[in-house]
Amino acid sequence: DAKTTQPPSMDCAEGRAANLPCNHSTISGNEYVYWYRQIHSQGPQYIIHGLKNNETNEMASLIITEDRKSSTLILPHATLRDTAVYYCIVRVIFGGTSYGKLTFGQGTILTVHP
Amino acid sequence: GAVVSQHPSRVICKSGTSVKIECRSLDFQATTMFWYRQFPKQSLMLMATSNEGSKATYEQGVEKDKFLINHASLTLSTLTVTSAHPEDSSFYICSARDQQGLETQYFGPGTRLLVL
Repeated sequence: DAKTTQPPSMDCAEGRAANLPCNHSTISGNEYVYWYRQIHSQGPQYIIHGLKNNETNEMASLIITEDRKSSTLILPHATLRDTAVYYCIVRVIFGGTSYGKLTFGQGTILTVHP
Repeated sequence: GAVVSQHPSRVICKSGTSVKIECRSLDFQATTMFWYRQFPKQSLMLMATSNEGSKATYEQGVEKDKFLINHASLTLSTLTVTSAHPEDSSFYICSARDQQGLETQYFGPGTRLLVL
């Protein structure tokens, strides 16, 4: 079972920031938060990951709450090409039988409209 | 970012034939690759973990004799769907785990399989 909860769908206007929430209240100390997105009929694309500090790269920003029980992916200026399914995944980074595996939930369908 | 390729991108075959799908990490080495399957309007489901130089590890409910996995080098894993049937029609996606750093997984573009 996926260990994250995301809203099934969200809308965003082109040019505005898209804020995608994710709840991972049972996250363990050896788990990172990863975000991927999947554009229709393509393989998932890695976006960003983090442990407890906020992270930013050329694609997005990741804000993780201090208690690590939730996070928000921010696309600062959404474009039509950002329309995709966004997956928030917690991943074990060392030890145990689940090491390295990614378990995909249903994700959030983000629709960016003109 | 790291690039993973898959070949072919789509394949149509007759029922009973076998189909081989290749997954390559183009600019990094991957001792571990993963194979997923995705049916329409569903999420990705992990089928198996492919380990270079050793046997693959299959998820519960996945038939290892039907889905043969070979990981012969640090940049190539293959999935062979043996005696394919229409219910095997799906989108097959591989990922490769970069050995460096936090070993992030990067995904291929997927292979669309249609069994007639």
